[in-house]
Amino acid sequence: DADVTQTPRNRITKTGKRIMLECSQTKGHDRMYWYRQDPGLGLRLIYYSFDVKDINKGEISDGYSVSRQAQAKFSLSLESAIPNQTALYFCATSDPRSKISTDTQYFGPGTRLTVL
Amino acid sequence: RKEVEQDPGPFNVPEGATVAFNCTYSNSASQSFFWYRQDCRKEPKLLMSVYSSGNEDGRFTAQLNRASQYISLLIRDSKLSDSATYLCAVNIGNYGQNFVFGPGTRLSVLP
Repeated sequence: DADVTQTPRNRITKTGKRIMLECSQTKGHDRMYWYRQDPGLGLRLIYYSFDVKDINKGEISDGYSVSRQAQAKFSLSLESAIPNQTALYFCATSDPRSKISTDTQYFGPGTRLTVL
Repeated sequence: RKEVEQDPGPFNVPEGATVAFNCTYSNSASQSFFWYRQDCRKEPKLLMSVYSSGNEDGRFTAQLNRASQYISLLIRDSKLSDSATYLCAVNIGNYGQNFVFGPGTRLSVLP
């Protein structure tokens, strides 16, 4: 089973609709992140959370909100979707105690969102 | 100037070739460095961390040049299965929110 899962994997919606993307992890990591990826722009951080009571804005948080329901769950909402939010969305986790390196990011499989 | 830059490619190389990618970063306070591999429409996966002394993992060698602020990835004896996009990532601080990813370099290994 995958350590980081995302639902849905694909979603097509219309402008103005509210959308929620969900992320769950079994890695036991405290830190979770939401990124979006657009061609030529790389991965950009939307929101991050270091524990259940901690929520922080990333580089491009406008138009998005998040909820950290539990250590293992972090959801991203688009309150009123617009076409330029069409992108590939990734959830990631990290563990500051990792022996590999501080806060190495581990990604979920992604959600492809299309806003018409 | 973008914080992390990469040649977008694509790099088209024959099987067995050696190929090298560079990645430049602008923040001299950057503390840790990584290469990720991303297959088409899939998630990025950690390929290797990049250590100051350079490090090797099989056919892959990563190097860091702090003075010139770039990291490199060398792939020897390219395989068809190496075809992917390679992302460099730079952690500016000790916290995950300071990860900055490059846009990626696409590699196609041809038979």
